[in-house]
Parts: sequence; C-alpha cells; structure tokens
Amino acid sequence: AQTVTQSQPEMSVQEAETVTLSCTYDTSESDYYLFWYKQPPSRQMILVIRQEAYKQQNATENRFSVNFQKAAKSFSLKISDSQLGDAAMYFCAYRSSSNTGKLIFGQGTTLQVKP
Amino acid sequence: DTGVSQNPRHKITKRGQNVTFRCDPISEHNRLYWYRQTLGQGPEFLTYFQNEAQLEKSRLLSDRFSAERPKGSFSTLEIQRTEQGDSAMYLCASSLATGWTDTQYFGPGTRLTVL
Repeated sequence: AQTVTQSQPEMSVQEAETVTLSCTYDTSESDYYLFWYKQPPSRQMILVIRQEAYKQQNATENRFSVNFQKAAKSFSLKISDSQLGDAAMYFCAYRSSSNTGKLIFGQGTTLQVKP
Repeated sequence: DTGVSQNPRHKITKRGQNVTFRCDPISEHNRLYWYRQTLGQGPEFLTYFQNEAQLEKSRLLSDRFSAERPKGSFSTLEIQRTEQGDSAMYLCASSLATGWTDTQYFGPGTRLTVL
C-alpha cells in the first residue's frame, strides 16, 4: 500500500522569504501523480500544484514550485516570496495511475508566516 | 458560485442519532469523493462514485455508513447510530475524470460533533 509522510508538523517563514516543505512517499508503482493542497484555517482545501511522475520537469505555479526526486521518492514544495496569505496547513497527496482516483494524504505541515 | 458545496456546514448530534450530509459537486463532474478528516490530520478516503455507481469503499466505511449518488448528481452520506468516534470533518470532492487526469476540487466540509 502507498503511504505519504510529511515529517515537519510545523514550519515558519518570514514574509518575503523562501520556505521548503518536505514530503516523502512509498510506492511500488512507476506511474502516479503527486499533489500539494493548501487548507487555510476554517476554509476549504485548494490545489496548489500537481506533478505527473512520468514528467522529469518540475512543476511550477507562480511562487510555488516542486522538487520532484522520483528515485528518492521525494516531493518537496518551495514557496518563494512568502506572503501572509500563505499561512495554512499544507498537505502532500499521492494518486495512483490506476483508475481509482483516490488521494492518499500525508499528515500535513502547518506553515506560519511572520510579518 | 460554481464550486463544490456541502450542507450542513456544522452538525451537532447526540450519540445514537442518525445524520445525513449532502454534497453538490461542480456541474458536469463525473466523479465524487468522500473523505474524513480528524483534527490535525490529513483527509482519509471513504468512498467514491463515478456517475451514479459507487466504485470503491474504504474499510473505514463501516456498515453504519452509507453513501448514495442518485442520478449521478448530488451525493448524500448517512451515518446511522452515531458514535463519538465519528466526530470529524467530512469532506466532499469532485473531479472530471478524462483519461488519467483527475484533479479533485474540495468542498468546505461538514463538521460533525457527536456528544
């Protein structure tokens, strides 16, 4: 069975600085998808970024980028120029390439942004 | 607003009572997922539908839980004879699954408190 591990329960960053959130996963599959979701306090979860395992190029969405290391089964999220609105819980998630579609989530990392 | 909606947003009930939650997916999304999230943890998959067919159920979904998606539109999740351990946030997500792509969009959740 696949598992996702986020080893940093909490992280903090100074506004305008860069922070990296870690995620590792375990799978025997060669094709899959990885996601980072953001869940602000008392608000709904929103998709931040997505990576297909078959793509070597790391995904980027504005200030958000990933470092995908397939051999190491690592998928970290880098947030550049951190803003106060980035404060939230961040979840790493795995989805098999099989047709089930269900997401397997990590435990989450709470990100605090200091002004 | 064309996002995923869930009702009610909060539900307080006494142990042993039945509760029902509703999820309205994004229009034309063919897949609908239910997850459960306890405080400080990542969401855990419960079940999902493709159109009106329930294709997978987690072992977390005991026989007290039942979900339906009549006509492939909205979905309901019913919990019978609630227990204090059922207290959690119940999240619904929908997606348009085409080929291997399946990005899930989440609703705001229903927070259940069982007294």
